[in-house]
Formats: sequence, structure tokens, C-alpha cells
Amino acid sequence: TQLLEQSPQFLSIQEGENLTVYCNSSSVFSSLQWYRQEPGEGPVLLVTVVTGGEVKKLKRLTFQFGDARKDSSLHITAAQPGDTGLYLCAGAGNQFYFGTGTSLTVIP
Amino acid sequence: DAGITQSPRHKVTETGTPVTLRCHQTENHRYMYWYRQDPGHGLRLIHYSYGVKDTDKGEVSDGYSVSRSKTEDFLLTLESATSSQTSVYFCAISESINYGYTFGSGTRLTVV
Repeated sequence: TQLLEQSPQFLSIQEGENLTVYCNSSSVFSSLQWYRQEPGEGPVLLVTVVTGGEVKKLKRLTFQFGDARKDSSLHITAAQPGDTGLYLCAGAGNQFYFGTGTSLTVIP
Repeated sequence: DAGITQSPRHKVTETGTPVTLRCHQTENHRYMYWYRQDPGHGLRLIHYSYGVKDTDKGEVSDGYSVSRSKTEDFLLTLESATSSQTSVYFCAISESINYGYTFGSGTRLTVV
């Protein structure tokens, strides 16, 4: 059962553009995490959000947890080629449930 | 400086043969997990461990078994490999059940 839907599935943008990726569910999660995965490597944790409505910033990345704790978004400002990768959200229930990911390509 | 290592990194095996993948951590974390990653399915939990000799099933546990005889090692065994088990397998560790995961670099397994 896929509890987390991520959109878009694929995204290709030019360097310097802004973008937002979404993570949606009908389930409530106690916390939600975002990971980035590069080819041939395991996912790397970017952030954990816990409180409904919470906003966290990590340099050019802004993460928001929905008020109802069912959804989240990741906004990247002025994307750079180094942001290229697969972005995964994961919601905490009785285990962590991962979305299928958004594959981002930033073209120089 | 990796606190978690997986071995082997790549393996090709024949249908019907047993295969064991190893995950080793140096962080002394209580929780260890085995996931598989497939296109269109994302990361799916196979088994996890919450302590030495304490393990439980995930959502895709059929055909897999695990063992944890020491805090630092978590083994995943495919009793009789099938082509549907061709995948990339990731091990992860965490301090507690809802803490962030640290993932290994993965094992690419091909069953022919």
C-alpha cells in the first residue's frame, strides 16, 4: 500500500529557477522526513518536521509540514546543478512509509 | 567515515540459490532496517530489528529472513532467490523508531 504520493514524478529545470515538490497522503503522520538520493548511493536525510504547520529552512531549501500533518512540500530557491537527485518523503506511522520520489534534474 | 556499510555492493546469483546480504554499523544504534528499492515502488520495508535477536516483518517480507546476533550486524537472507527479488537493497539504522535514518550505500542484486 502506497500511503504517500509525490508530485511531480520528474522535474527538469534550468539553473537559477525555483521549484516546489509535494508529498501528499490521506494518513496523518507523527513526523515527516525528506531525503535526497544520488545515483548509486543511499538516501541522505535532509530534514525532519514534527509539528503541523512547521516550516524549516536549510539554506535554499524550505520544508513545510501541513497543518493536518498529512502533507508536506519542499521548495528550492535558485536551483543549482548540485541539487540534482531523487527527493523522497517519508512519513512516520508504525513504521516509516516512503513516497516514490521526485527525480529532479537541474540543467546548468 | 561511514557508520554503516553493506556487503557485497553488487551480486549476481542464480534462481534457487540462497543469498545473504550483510549490514554492519559502528554507531551502536538500536534499530536496523532492510529495504528494497524498485522503480515505481519506492522504498519498501522488508524486515527490521529493534535489538539483538528482536526482529519483525515489514510489508514485503515473504521470501526473506533476517538475523541479528550482535548489535552491529544485521543479515538479510533470501532462502531461494527468485527473479522478482532482483532489486537494490538498502540497510538503514536509527537511534529510535521515529528518528531519522542513516542509509548504507546499497547492494545491487541480480537474480538470473
